[in-house]
Amino acid sequence: DQQVKQNSPSLSVQEGRISILNCDYTNSMFDYFLWYKKYPAEGPTFLISISSIKDKNEDGRFTVFLNKSAKHLSLHIVPSQPGDSAVYFCAASPRVAGNNRKLIWGLGTSLAVNP
Amino acid sequence: DVKVTQSSRYLVKRTGEKVFLECVQDMDHENMFWYRQDPGLGLRLIYFSYDVKMKEKGDIPEGYSVSREKKERFSLILESASTNQTSMYLCASSFISGTGSVTEAFFGQGTRLTVV
Repeated sequence: DQQVKQNSPSLSVQEGRISILNCDYTNSMFDYFLWYKKYPAEGPTFLISISSIKDKNEDGRFTVFLNKSAKHLSLHIVPSQPGDSAVYFCAASPRVAGNNRKLIWGLGTSLAVNP
Repeated sequence: DVKVTQSSRYLVKRTGEKVFLECVQDMDHENMFWYRQDPGLGLRLIYFSYDVKMKEKGDIPEGYSVSREKKERFSLILESASTNQTSMYLCASSFISGTGSVTEAFFGQGTRLTVV
């Protein structure tokens, strides 16, 4: 059962507009969330993260919002650029003891930004 | 900058061969991971290691083994390669902060393995 769900496999937006990528989770023990971007034939690169004690984190054109009551987070990209076209993965980390924590991944959303 | 280096970008192997995928990180990270990525299936964790000689099975360990003899190196071994192991393999590393929180994982460039 998917604990981290990205329900939209793909998204298409116009250059300059806002891209909103969504992610839902089921495990209330998750306390840290991350977004990664992946181009074809490359490894994922870290974009932005948020701790469960916050509801918003911003880094340049990227903002992540966390709604814990709804178990939902979203990544906003404003303004969208053609170079943002990639697959975006949402990941979550559970609160566990010890140092062997691992990330739980969504299946990804493919974003296409059209010029 | 953190660097995670995988030994090959592309590999073609025959069914039944023993295959070694090597990964090296240069940031003294405790944690290292091996994933495979297949279309529509996202990133699936094969094995991870949180210390030298320590390993834990991920979600799909069958047909794979790992070795971590040194902190900076994490090897994935396909004991007898099969066509259903054709995939993109991704290595990652991360450290644990002083408060015990997970930190972001840094990925290598990936190895596209084709088993024929």
